[in-house]
Amino acid sequence: GENVEQHPSTLSVQEGDSAVIKCTYSDSASNYFPWYKQELGKRPQLIIDIRSNVGEKKDQRIAVTLNKTAKHFSLHITETQPEDSAVYFCAASRGNTPLVFGKGTRLSVIA
Amino acid sequence: DGGITQSPKYLFRKEGQNVTLSCEQNLNHDAMYWYRQDPGQGLRLIYYSQIVNDFQKGDIAEGYSVSREKKESFPLTVTSAQKNPTAFYLCASSIRLTDYEQYFGPGTRLTVT
Repeated sequence: GENVEQHPSTLSVQEGDSAVIKCTYSDSASNYFPWYKQELGKRPQLIIDIRSNVGEKKDQRIAVTLNKTAKHFSLHITETQPEDSAVYFCAASRGNTPLVFGKGTRLSVIA
Repeated sequence: DGGITQSPKYLFRKEGQNVTLSCEQNLNHDAMYWYRQDPGQGLRLIYYSQIVNDFQKGDIAEGYSVSREKKESFPLTVTSAQKNPTAFYLCASSIRLTDYEQYFGPGTRLTVT
């Protein structure tokens, strides 16, 4: 089955700097890659997703890139703000199976 | 107000007792899921259901059971066979199993002593 590795497990950045979180997946048939954000004490929420027919997707300060050959995808957050502090989860799915989540990255944005 | 709800928020049980966690959604979603969240372990899938009266085991189903008698409801029973039941449990739903956004409930924190 699918296996998703996520790095780093913790990340601290200064406010205004960029943050990058990387995930690798094992199943070459996976074709859907969402990212979820979980703020402290709250439920996870989808922030961006990408499908295998696209190499990059942006939404304001957030972008996701996908390298199908290398089987990895990354979340990029630019101009980080304190409210970006949260745990971020990547996930992968081949479409007819449930999502497999990474173990999460705790991002701390230091003001 | 549409959404997915879980109750209770906190649950305490004695070891050896079965306990049922509630999950309800009014989003008209076909697919529902149960995850267990432990520190540093991410979201691990316990059970999922694609449609009423059908459900499948996830990665850590041992010691758990579910039912899906109604589209809106997907209760999870933590049985006495679950060796380490203390955890945070999240329920989620999506339009269908395939690549659609999952909407999560607020979670239930279960403590077994």
